[in-house]
Amino acid sequence: EDQVTQSPEALRLQEGESSSLNCSYTVSGLRGLFWYRQDPGKGPEFLFTLYSAGEEKEKERLKATLTKKESFLHITAPKPEDSATYLCAVRGGAQKLVFGQGTRLTINP
Amino acid sequence: ETGVTQSPTHLIKTRGQQVTLRCSSQSGHNTVSWYQQALGQGPQFIFQYYREEENGRGNFPPRFSGLQFPNYSSELNVNALELDDSALYLCASSLGGASGGGKTQYFGPGTRLLVL
Repeated sequence: EDQVTQSPEALRLQEGESSSLNCSYTVSGLRGLFWYRQDPGKGPEFLFTLYSAGEEKEKERLKATLTKKESFLHITAPKPEDSATYLCAVRGGAQKLVFGQGTRLTINP
Repeated sequence: ETGVTQSPTHLIKTRGQQVTLRCSSQSGHNTVSWYQQALGQGPQFIFQYYREEENGRGNFPPRFSGLQFPNYSSELNVNALELDDSALYLCASSLGGASGGGKTQYFGPGTRLLVL
């Protein structure tokens, strides 16, 4: 069965303090790994899709990387507006996205 | 380009009642998926519809059912509501075939359901 584990569950950083979020996964035939950002009470907002090991994608202060067993979301010099829950999901042979429980990120000014 | 929309935004029901939630997919998208998100958890897959047919289902009982219409909009129906059905219900649309592939799913704002 496809599984996703995210760590840490919660992370508190000072503004400008770079860090990384981890997403470990097991999936039968990876057809995509997805990162989403979710603000409280709202739907997930799409960030990145990665398809194969070694792939990297960047958007502003965020960079996502992928290996055969895990993905990292690197946050460089974060700002308070980057505070949110970051969700990782994988898609294997079935039709569904399997999500992790998320990492709740707080950036203090 | 219009994003995914859902209605209503909030809903309060009592145990045993039935509820219908609605979703309009993003322009050009032909596949709709529904997810249930409990507080503090990641979304859990309920089912997916493609060309008006159910195309995959998660571990949810038959009292969770759905429809997709010719314009690709969709409904989620839940019968005999239980307290544990209280959650954020998310609809996501994508452009994909029957296999779904690795197509990105774009989410709506969700419907917050509270069952008393």
